[in-house]
Amino acid sequence: NAGVTQTPKFRILKIGQSMTLQCAQDMNHNYMYWYRQDPGMGLKLIYYSVGAGITDKGEVPNGYNVSRSTTEDFPLRLELAAPSQTSVYFCASSPSEAGGYNEQFFGPGTRLTVL
Amino acid sequence: GIQVEQSPPDLILQEGANSTLRCNFSDSVNNLQWFHQNPWGQLINLFYIPSGTKQNGRLSATTVATERYSLLYISSSQTTDSGVYFCAVEGYNFNKFYFGSGTKLNVKP
Repeated sequence: NAGVTQTPKFRILKIGQSMTLQCAQDMNHNYMYWYRQDPGMGLKLIYYSVGAGITDKGEVPNGYNVSRSTTEDFPLRLELAAPSQTSVYFCASSPSEAGGYNEQFFGPGTRLTVL
Repeated sequence: GIQVEQSPPDLILQEGANSTLRCNFSDSVNNLQWFHQNPWGQLINLFYIPSGTKQNGRLSATTVATERYSLLYISSSQTTDSGVYFCAVEGYNFNKFYFGSGTKLNVKP
């Protein structure tokens, strides 16, 4: 299993541009998450999904959109990029099994710079 | 949301020393995980430990859910242990995870 994969690894955007960060998992996990990590800080939840077709906001959703059309994929869309969106973005998935087991597994991250 | 506080924020150790990292959380939680973020930014799962004690080699963790804290023990530290250690908790509603700000560990040879 590849686990959780993210593309691209690095990206530089100009202010006002848009882009989509890709995330895929091959573990058949129901739940998927997008986080951002600013320098020297912990991770903050942007959006999450509990299954195909179902998404919800996390702590810091402004400026982002998500969709979940399949179990495997959970892309994150940035519209009108701003310097405040310069960060490292992590995607994660978890199985949410009966009995409460819900361990998260993370992708390698995408480092985004907005200039 | 749930507040997660980690201490100490920074820790410098000599190789071979032992340490204890603490994670306090403000509400009841479903689950708790410890991660190590290595110097290349990768998040590595250390423990999935909603309650009780687990051990994996030189590392062990204990979570006392009723008192809302968890401890990560590192024994005989090595330079490869350097990095940032994060605690993350899952609240009871809507499967949201909340991260602490981390403990930055530097192990010197």
